[in-house]
This record gives sequence, C-alpha cells and structure tokens, in this order.
Amino acid sequence: DVKVTQSSRYLVKRTGEKVFLECVQDMDHENMFWYRQDPGLGLRLIYFSYDVKMKEKGDIPEGYSVSREKKERFSLILESASTNQTSMYLCASSDTTRKAFFGQGTRLTVV
Amino acid sequence: GNSVTQMEGPVTLSEEAFLTINCTYTATGYPSLFWYVQYPGEGLQLLLKATKADDKGSNKGFEATYRKETTSFHLEKGSVQVSDSAVYFCALKDTGFQKLVFGTGTRLLVSP
Repeated sequence: DVKVTQSSRYLVKRTGEKVFLECVQDMDHENMFWYRQDPGLGLRLIYFSYDVKMKEKGDIPEGYSVSREKKERFSLILESASTNQTSMYLCASSDTTRKAFFGQGTRLTVV
Repeated sequence: GNSVTQMEGPVTLSEEAFLTINCTYTATGYPSLFWYVQYPGEGLQLLLKATKADDKGSNKGFEATYRKETTSFHLEKGSVQVSDSAVYFCALKDTGFQKLVFGTGTRLLVSP
C-alpha cells in the first residue's frame, strides 16, 4: 500500500512560535505538495517540490517556507505562527501518472 | 488561469437516490480531470480520473465523463449509500504542470 504520513494529526501552537509540519512518503515520488484546507475555500496550494532541494511557490506561500533535503521528506515551516494560519494542512505526493496521494492531514490551531 | 467550479453543498439525499455533483473548469491547455473524496477525519483519496476528452472515469459506482465542449466533469452515482457521505473535490492538472487545482468541495450527506 502506498503511504503518505504526516507527523501529527492535531497540533496546538502559540502565536509567534516556529512550527514544523513533517510529511514522509514511501513511494519514491519526485513531486510533493503542501495544501491548506479551509471551509468554503477548498484546497489551496502553499508550496510544492519536484525534486530534492527544489521548491516552487504555490498560490498562498506568504508566511510559509519549505524544506526538501531528502526525496521522501517534505517539511512545511511556519516561521512565526499566526492565528490566521489555523487550518487543516494536507501533504500529497504524485507519480508520473499525475495521480496524487494524500496524507491524513494535520489540524493546526494557533492560539 | 486555471480554475475549477463546483456546486455548493451540502447535498442531502436519501439512500438509493441518484447523485449528481456538478463541476466545470477553465484551463489553458488540455488538462487531466479528477474527483477526490474525503471521508470524515481523513485525507483525500483519488476516486476517479479522466485524461482526455470523452473519457469516462469510474470507480465504486461513481462515474464522470470529460466533456470538452461544455468544459464539465460532473460526478454521478445511480444509487447512493450512507457510506458515501463525504466531501467530494473536483480537480484538474493542466498539461506540463505538476500541481493540482481544486474546487471548493461539495459535502454529500446521505440519510438512511
């Protein structure tokens, strides 16, 4: 079975904290993605990566950064968490057939 | 730019009713089209896909046909079950691009 694993299901952080969301895939996929999901807005792409150490901004990169040091791991970093970053974060990876596999999501609350 | 528009939910149906969730898209190239499903408390799973015009994707009794002339990819199922209650996302991936563009999602609630 293919697997995309996100390190936490639920996370509560304080405003101003630096937050790391980790995602690991075991399918040897080149492409990995971070989305956030908000009611009425659907999924919005934050960043994606098509190779190790490569990254591209998505539609809403402000306030976020990413790191891809190894092929299987893609980290999302909130440099200084704010309450408007309270959301569900979804990681995905995709193969050459363009089919994307998603993790279970991390529900982040910033207080 | 590329975009996907879905009908707003929630869609509320009784078990065994017929389901249609509308999806239309705007794309500059020749996109592949997808339906993803998100069950409560879970991430998204690919439900079905179609990669070119007139293709029909199908899975678990769900179907969607890629209609280039109407830029649509409506999701249908002949007889829904309570276990189909979930949020359904229409998405596209344009030629040469790696990222998926999602609609806002449609919540389906099926009652016994």
